[in-house]
Order: sequence, then structure tokens, then C-alpha cells
Amino acid sequence: GAVVSQHPSWVICKSGTSVKIECRSLDFQATTMFWYRQFPKQSLMLMATSNEGSKATYEQGVEKDKFLINHASLTLSTLTVTSAHPEDSSFYICSALSSSLGLNTGELFFGEGSRLTVL
Amino acid sequence: QKEVEQNSGPLSVPEGAIASLNCTYSDRGSQSFFWYRQYSGKSPELIMFIYSNGDKEDGRFTAQLNKASQYVSLLIRDSQPSDSATYLCAVTTSGTYKYIFGTGTRLKVLA
Repeated sequence: GAVVSQHPSWVICKSGTSVKIECRSLDFQATTMFWYRQFPKQSLMLMATSNEGSKATYEQGVEKDKFLINHASLTLSTLTVTSAHPEDSSFYICSALSSSLGLNTGELFFGEGSRLTVL
Repeated sequence: QKEVEQNSGPLSVPEGAIASLNCTYSDRGSQSFFWYRQYSGKSPELIMFIYSNGDKEDGRFTAQLNKASQYVSLLIRDSQPSDSATYLCAVTTSGTYKYIFGTGTRLKVLA
């Protein structure tokens, strides 16, 4: 099956620092990856869509200079939360759309999620 | 604004009963419909997807889609305590793989 690995699974940082979260597709090539954010007891909110080799497309209200997304290869996308503040504390989840697996069904394969706590 | 609506619950059912979860969506152009299960603190895992009107069965799970009424439901037969989780409905529009998620329904199966 398709496996998406996300790292770190949790991170605590001080306000003002930057945090990088990695999302890797382990056994397939992911042409498109999506980054979601989920606050407690709320649904997943799409932050941005990243395509390998091109700039990410951000959803309305998401600051691209604060949430830097890089999709440099077909198996890796990174999300960097720059100058993090306590209100950025959330559960960040990546998902991948395979170029071969699941493309016809539209199935997304989710990473395990990364819980960010900004003090 | 494209929306996907779900009752937040909690929906409590006794073990062995049928749990019925409902979802409505606003975009008539929606093409694909997904049900995900999410345990607390974990990422979602796919249960089923459905594209066509009618029922689709997979084990204890049945997804039902009615495009005219713009709703999709998930039935869980013989509910087990391990089914206790939040169930997320997700919808995509033709030509895009952007998922719109509902807020989820929290299901509690009582032993």
C-alpha cells in the first residue's frame, strides 16, 4: 500500500523560531501534495497544494511567507512555519496524491500528522 | 462558498447496532465522495469512496449517495467499540483533487 511518512510527529518550540515539517512518500511518487491544518475539534483545513518542481498554491487566508512549502522532489515536500507564534499551534497533516496509485480514484494518502506547540 | 456539513455529535450507539452518519454538500458539481475515520490525535484513514448514486458496500460499511438531494451517508453495521472515532466526510469537485472536509461526526459505540 501507499505510505506517507511525516516527521516530526510532534514538536515544541519557542515563539519566534521556525519549524520544518517533512512529508515523504515512501513507496510511490507523489506529483501533488497537500498540507492541512487541524485545530482541536475542528475539521481539516487545506492550507496549500504543492506540485513537484513548481510553486505551491495557497488557499485564501494562508500567508505564503509564513508557511513556506517546498516540493523539490517527487517523494518529499516540506512545510516550514516561520517565526512561529502560539496561535500557530495546531496539528499539521500532509497528504499525497500518487502519479500512479490512486490517481483514478482521487484517493489521498495521509501522513501521520505533526503536532506543533509554540510556547 | 463550497461547504460540507455534518452533525458534530456525539452519536452514541450500543455495541452491535447500526450507526448512521450523514453528510450534505452544497456544490452540485461535486464528483467524488469519501468517508474517513480519524482517531483522536491521529491522521485520517480512508474507509470508503463513492462516485455513483446508490449504495456501495464494503464489509460492515455501506456508503449511500444521493446526488439529487446532495447527501452522502455511511452506515456501520454491527458497530464495535473500536469504531468509536470521528468520521469525516470529504468531497471533491470534477477536475480537482482538492478535498473539502466536513467538520466530522464523533461516534461513540457503547460496550
